[in-house]
Amino acid sequence: DTEVTQTPKHLVMGMTNKKSLKCEQHMGHRAMYWYKQKAKKPPELMFVYSYEKLSINESVPSRFSPECPNSSLLNLHLHALQPEDSALYLCASSHPGDRLAGGSTDTQYFGPGTRLTVL
Amino acid sequence: AQSVTQLGSHVSVSEGALVLLRCNYSSSVPPYLFWYVQYPNQGLQLLLKYTSAATLVKGINGFEAEFKKSETSFHLTKPSAHMSDAAEYFCAVRMRGNTGKLIFGQGTTLQVKP
Repeated sequence: DTEVTQTPKHLVMGMTNKKSLKCEQHMGHRAMYWYKQKAKKPPELMFVYSYEKLSINESVPSRFSPECPNSSLLNLHLHALQPEDSALYLCASSHPGDRLAGGSTDTQYFGPGTRLTVL
Repeated sequence: AQSVTQLGSHVSVSEGALVLLRCNYSSSVPPYLFWYVQYPNQGLQLLLKYTSAATLVKGINGFEAEFKKSETSFHLTKPSAHMSDAAEYFCAVRMRGNTGKLIFGQGTTLQVKP
């Protein structure tokens, strides 16, 4: 099973709202990712968690706050977003690889995404 | 810096015709290479990957790709296009030893005409 689930599928929020996106996988992966994708563009990496610790933050504004409460769950907390933050938010997971061996193939499996609209 | 170039942002073929989507990477060390497909309003689905085993990689839905080190290419092909192949295709690379950052190409929209 290579399924990554994301909820909600769609989200509309105002600029003063606080909301959260959720991602879940049960493949035993210990690396999880958040991507942002604008229309007709490739996904842009936002955050990477490896063994439940934040390992990469691609200079994302603080109005996006990730959280990895356990090895199966990944959240993205949203607060005071701007209309330009409207996009498809994708979650992915992979095996983190063996760093001593120089890393593994790390195939990333993506969820269906949350379509976010900020009014 | 590593980069991925997909030649042709839009490719149109007739149903039953050969599909060829081009991908070139810039790296002196062969990276791991991936092709993903994205249908409208969906996430990315892995089509195939190159991990330094066989240079000709077979994937799902009849797609395959050949890794050519001398040309730094990893083009995606399918002998006969089907209407259901219409989608956005992304080539991506991940450098060896990297903790997980995928570098994507800009994507190619495949249109299949009846």
